Amino acid sequence: EVQLVESGGGLVQPGGSLRLSCAASGFTFSRYWMHWVRQPPGKGLVWVARINSNGSGTTYADSAKGRFTISRDNAKTTLYLEMNSLRVEDTAVYYCARVRVSGGWDGFDIWGQGTMVTVSS
Amino acid sequence: DIQMTQSPSTLSASLGDRVTITCRASQTISSWLAWYQQKPGKAPKLLIYKASSLESGVPSRFSGSGSGTEFTLTISSLQPDDFATYYCQQYNSYSFTFGGGTKVEIK
Repeated sequence: EVQLVESGGGLVQPGGSLRLSCAASGFTFSRYWMHWVRQPPGKGLVWVARINSNGSGTTYADSAKGRFTISRDNAKTTLYLEMNSLRVEDTAVYYCARVRVSGGWDGFDIWGQGTMVTVSS
Repeated sequence: DIQMTQSPSTLSASLGDRVTITCRASQTISSWLAWYQQKPGKAPKLLIYKASSLESGVPSRFSGSGSGTEFTLTISSLQPDDFATYYCQQYNSYSFTFGGGTKVEIK
């Protein structure tokens, strides 16, 4: 079964750090670009970051630049999101997502279940 | 950055109704647009990619159209399982913006 499972969410104080993980299974992880998307409570979807298949290329939303780092370990079939200098407005459910077609973009066809990050003092 | 504007933000409809949701891009994105359905507490589900291609397993009552800056998602005959929130998403030059969402409610 093709699956993405996120972990690492939790409660953190403003200014703190957190590392999210997304374990992939059931497909050849190393062939696909991967993304992180977040959803603040009661609000819409917001794209956060993407990484290409071998990890050599990354892009970030303005809100994540300089604070978040997306990375991957293809040997462990795991995607990561390192989040530093966290703000209250980073509070959200964080989803990892797979692009539908390897090497391109046709939308995100596989999503994880999401992990909740709460930034509060 | 490209902005995506969805309308309406909320839509009340009855079973069997034909429903249309619109998504406008602030600049041309060719056909690089996807549509998703999301139910409360669940991850989004891909419905349409490349503006008009139906994802495998998605019922044929869903269809997408448009190119450039104006796009539509149509549900030909609303079913009980379709009451949800729908999002468009664009891709352009490594930017992947979502629209604000359209909640389809029971009338």
